[in-house]
Order: sequence, then C-alpha cells, then structure tokens
Amino acid sequence: AQRVTQPEKLLSVFKGAPVELKCNYSYSGSPELFWYVQYSRQRLQLLLRHISRESIKGFTADLNKGETSFHLKKPFAQEEDSAMYYCALNNAGNMLTFGGGTRLMVKP
Amino acid sequence: DAGVIQSPRHEVTEMGQEVTLRCKPISGHNSLFWYRQTMMRGLELLIYFNNNVPIDDSGMPEDRFSAKMPNASFSTLKIQPSEPRDSAVYFCASSLHGAGETQYFGPGTRLLVL
Repeated sequence: AQRVTQPEKLLSVFKGAPVELKCNYSYSGSPELFWYVQYSRQRLQLLLRHISRESIKGFTADLNKGETSFHLKKPFAQEEDSAMYYCALNNAGNMLTFGGGTRLMVKP
Repeated sequence: DAGVIQSPRHEVTEMGQEVTLRCKPISGHNSLFWYRQTMMRGLELLIYFNNNVPIDDSGMPEDRFSAKMPNASFSTLKIQPSEPRDSAVYFCASSLHGAGETQYFGPGTRLLVL
C-alpha cells in the first residue's frame, strides 16, 4: 500500500530564509508525485509535479528514489508563501494519496 | 469557467439527519473525486468517478455514506444518518482524466453534525 508522510505539521521560518518541506513516500511501483498548496481562504491547488521538473513561485522539488523523498524547497521564503502544503502520490490505480500536510508560516 | 462548484458551503445538522452535498465539476473533465478533510486524518479520498462510473469507493467510511454521479455535470455525496464524527470539510475535485492529471478542487463544504 502507498503512504505519504510529511513529518512536520508546522514549519516556521523568517522571510528570506531557506525553506524545505519534507515529504517521504512508500510505494512499490513507479511513483508520480505532486505538491498541492492551499493559501488562506483559497482552494487547494496544484503547485508542481515531479514529471514537469519545473520551478513554480521559486519552489522546486526533486524526486529521490533512493531516499523515497520528494522534498519541496525554496531558497528565500516570502511572506506570501505562508500556506498549507500537501505532498501527494498517484498510484497506478489513478488514486491520489495525500500526506498529512505541513503548515508553513513565514514571519516578517 | 467558475471552476468546481460545491453546495452548500456550510451545513449544520443534527445527529441522525440526512445530509446531501453537491458538486458540479469543470465542464469537460472526465474524473471526479470526493475527499474528506479532518484535523486528525488530514485529506482522505472517499470515492473516485471516471466517466460517471464509480471506480474506487474503498475510502468510503461505511454504509452510511453513498455517492452518485447521474451525469457528467453533477455528483452528490450523501450521509444517512449523520453522526458527529462525520463533521469535516468535504472537498470535490475534478480532472481531465484520472488522478495523474491536475486536480481542480472546489471550495469545500464545511459540515458540522451536532
């Protein structure tokens, strides 16, 4: 069975500091991983997906199959990055399994 | 497009009552998902439809929960009878085809069962 673990429920950093939101997964097949974000009073929305290998709003995430991780990183956090972040795994059955979420607070 | 539409946005009901949540997916999307979000369990997939057909309902907690998709533009999630532990935010999401595509979420329905 697949599982997604986000070990930190809350991550607090100062503006301009680097940020890393951790995500670990367990899945026997070839994983497809995503980061979704929910800003205050907004809908949950896709931030990025590993197959795109793109940077969105300064965030990047690299799939590390050896460590079974898909950590989300940004070199310099901004106050507008404060939000709830969810890591998600798509299995071959086309079901998305979400991690528990990490609330990122960026302090001025 | 207004995106995924859910109604009602808030629902307060008493234990034992029937609750019906509604969802209108984005036009042209073939897949529809119902999720439940709680503090304790996070975001859980309840059921997934593809082309109006339920593909996997293994996440539906028990027989009190049922979901239908009578056509491509409408889905319901029903709880009968409701219990206080059903209190949560229920999200509907749609995608072009399957979970591998970007899922677009509705605003959610906040349910409180007293």
